[in-house]
This record gives sequence, C-alpha cells and structure tokens, in this order.
Amino acid sequence: AQTVTQSQPEMSVQEAETVTLSCTYDTSESDYYLFWYKQPPSRQMILVIRQEAYKQQNATENRFSVNFQKAAKSFSLKISDSQLGDAAMYFCAYQGRARAGKSTFGDGTTLTVKP
Amino acid sequence: DTAVSQTPKYLVTQMGNDKSIKCEQNLGHDTMYWYKQDSKKFLKIMFSYNNKELIINETVPNRFSPKSPDKAHLNLHINSLELGDSAVYFCASSGQETAFFGQGTRLTVV
Repeated sequence: AQTVTQSQPEMSVQEAETVTLSCTYDTSESDYYLFWYKQPPSRQMILVIRQEAYKQQNATENRFSVNFQKAAKSFSLKISDSQLGDAAMYFCAYQGRARAGKSTFGDGTTLTVKP
Repeated sequence: DTAVSQTPKYLVTQMGNDKSIKCEQNLGHDTMYWYKQDSKKFLKIMFSYNNKELIINETVPNRFSPKSPDKAHLNLHINSLELGDSAVYFCASSGQETAFFGQGTRLTVV
C-alpha cells in the first residue's frame, strides 16, 4: 500500500522569506502523480502544484516549486517570497496512474506566516 | 460556475437521524469521490465512483451509502448518525489526474 509522510506538523516562516515543506512517500509503482494541496481556514482544498513521476523536471507554479527526488521518494514544496495569504494547511498527496480515483494524503503541515 | 459544488455547507443534526449530502461537478470528469476529514485534519478517502460505478470502497460503516444517479452527481447518504461521524466531508472529481474538491460540508452530530 502507498503511504505519504509529512514529518513537519507545523512550520513557520517570516513574510517574504522562503520555506520548504517536506514530503516522503512509499510505493512500488513506477508511474504516478504527486500533488501539493493547500487548505486555508476557509477549508477549501486548493491544488497548488502537480508533478508527474516520469518527468524529471521539477514542477513550478509562480512562487511554488517542488524538489522531486524519485529515487529517494521525496517530494518537497518550496514557497518563495512567502505571503500572509500562504498561511494554511498543506497536504502532500500521491496517486498511482493505474489507480485513477484514489489519492493517498499525508497528515498535513500547518504553515504560519509571520508579518 | 463552481466546478465542484456540494450542499449543504453546514449540517447540524441529532444522533440517530439520517442525512444526505449532495455533490455535483460540471467539469465533465468521469470519477468522483467522497473524502472525510476528521478533527485532526486527517484526510481519508471513503468512496470513489467512475462513470456511476463504485470502484473504491474503503473501510466505511455500511451506514454510509453513496449514490450516483449520473456521472456528474455523487450523493452521500448517512443513516443512524453517530457522534463520531462529525467531520468535514469533501466531494471531489477528477479526469485522469488532478482531483478538484468541493468546499466541504461540516457535519456536526449532537
């Protein structure tokens, strides 16, 4: 079974600084997707970034980028120039390509942004 | 033009009651899900439907019954509600890859 581990229950960052959220996963599959979702206090689940396992290039979306290390099964999220609106709970998620319909989520990391 | 919408947003009910949460997506996706997020924010999949057929049914009490009248709708019916059912329930849909979530329904059982 696939597992997703986020080892940092809480993180904090100063506004305008950079922070990295960690995620590791365990799988025997070779083809899969990885995601980072953001859940602000409004509780809406918002997709931040997506990585396809067969792509070596790290995904980037504006201030958000990932460091995808397939061999190490690591998928960290870097937030640059942190903004107050980035404060939220962040979930790392795994989905096997052959298992469309089931994502496994980590337990989440609560990010606080200090002004 | 909300992509995934679920109603109601809040639901407060007494133990033993039966309640339903509705979900609709206008993204043309084939797959829809129900997730449960507990008080510790842990997010777990409950059910998944693909083209109106159940493809994933995690270990969920049979008091929970999903119903998909068509591929754009996946409703969740809960019988004999218990205190432990209090949580936020998310509906989501996806094509082959990315799941898009509804805004969640906060269910409180008193």
